[in-house]
Amino acid sequence: GAVVSQHPSWVICKSGTSVKIECRSLDFQATTMFWYRQFPKQSLMLMATSNEGSKATYEQGVEKDKFLINHASLTLSTLTVTSAHPEDSSFYICSARGGGLAKNIQYFGAGTRLSVL
Amino acid sequence: GESVGLHLPTLSVQEGDNSIINCAYSNSASDYFIWYKQESGKGPQFIIDIRSNMDKRQGQRVTVLLNKTVKHLSLQIAATQPGDSAVYFCAAGGTYKYIFGTGTRLKVLA
Repeated sequence: GAVVSQHPSWVICKSGTSVKIECRSLDFQATTMFWYRQFPKQSLMLMATSNEGSKATYEQGVEKDKFLINHASLTLSTLTVTSAHPEDSSFYICSARGGGLAKNIQYFGAGTRLSVL
Repeated sequence: GESVGLHLPTLSVQEGDNSIINCAYSNSASDYFIWYKQESGKGPQFIIDIRSNMDKRQGQRVTVLLNKTVKHLSLQIAATQPGDSAVYFCAAGGTYKYIFGTGTRLKVLA
């Protein structure tokens, strides 16, 4: 299957700092990328959907000024957690889907565990 | 609102036995379904998918069954192995986005 690379896999930061997470589709062009947040023993919570070159569409309750999403190219999307606080600590996972025969399949990155001290 | 649920939060299966994980979805407009496997600390991994115009699809050791009448799908794993231990999510959706179920943790007993 297609490969989605997410970096970093783990980050610890101080409260008030910003953290950037990268998501890359390595072997396909991702027309749409998704960012999820996952709490322990819970399902995936969709935060936002982004299409290349367009502004991200945020789900209800997700602060767009807090979680900045940039989908600069067909292979790269970034999520920046601005002024992070301990309550932002979570597991963040990106997902991408492209065109062609696999256009309906979302492929996931390995996730980023964010710990805010 | 839309929801996708799973009948059991945890399923324990003896190694070598078959596993059946169930999922119910609420949106009858869903036309594409995917099963994912998520190991601890990792992102979900695609297992198998099925379109709404099918009721069964088989992969390697896995079979997905879809019953649109009752909005239910299941994942069957044949000859369950220790490496199958993980959380399994179903996703229902289509063109725009998917709704993910809460997940079933599969425990394989030696």
